[in-house]
Amino acid sequence: ETGVTQSPTHLIKTRGQQVTLRCSSQSGHNTVSWYQQALGQGPQFIFQYYREEENGRGNFPPRFSGLQFPNYSSELNVNALELDDSALYLCASSSPGQGADEQFFGPGTRLTVL
Amino acid sequence: KQEVTQIPAALSVPEGENLVLNCSFTDSAIYNLQWFRQDPGKGLTSLLLIQSSQREQTSGRLNASLDKSSGRSTLYIAASQPGDSATYLCAPSRGQLSFGAGTTVTVRA
Repeated sequence: ETGVTQSPTHLIKTRGQQVTLRCSSQSGHNTVSWYQQALGQGPQFIFQYYREEENGRGNFPPRFSGLQFPNYSSELNVNALELDDSALYLCASSSPGQGADEQFFGPGTRLTVL
Repeated sequence: KQEVTQIPAALSVPEGENLVLNCSFTDSAIYNLQWFRQDPGKGLTSLLLIQSSQREQTSGRLNASLDKSSGRSTLYIAASQPGDSATYLCAPSRGQLSFGAGTTVTVRA
């Protein structure tokens, strides 16, 4: 069974640029959730995708957007990067109705905005 | 909005001591609660999942209890080892996980 993978591992961008982060869900999982974790804080929910549709969104501006593909992998896009976007971005996959929706996390992408 | 508080924020114990990590949350209408471990700069490793209908869950040296009506969960780690040093996060869930800042544990050899 393949776990959750994310790419790239690290990324450095400058303010105003755009970035795309990628996540491959665990085999058999149809739901992907994205979280932002600033240094020293707990993760904050960005949004969730279920079967290619957005299925809930946290308190993040529209410049944070996402996609889920037919194979259930997902992308997180952030436009007009700000310094405060520097964080560890985590994705988690799950399969509602199986295992009471336990979420499994990938290793994260560390984004630095200069 | 779900608010999650974990006490203490940090804990340092000698090897072999039992650990008690506390988690409180404000909205008791949850589907389940997960406990995670996070090593510095890494992703989250799921330790235990407690369904809303359960009172506790055990895995090896780990035991977690859930009192949904009072908005509390406790993670017990028996006979701590230096390898248990990490940040522990609890996350009540209604489909999306809500996190506190975690408890950072150091187990001294």
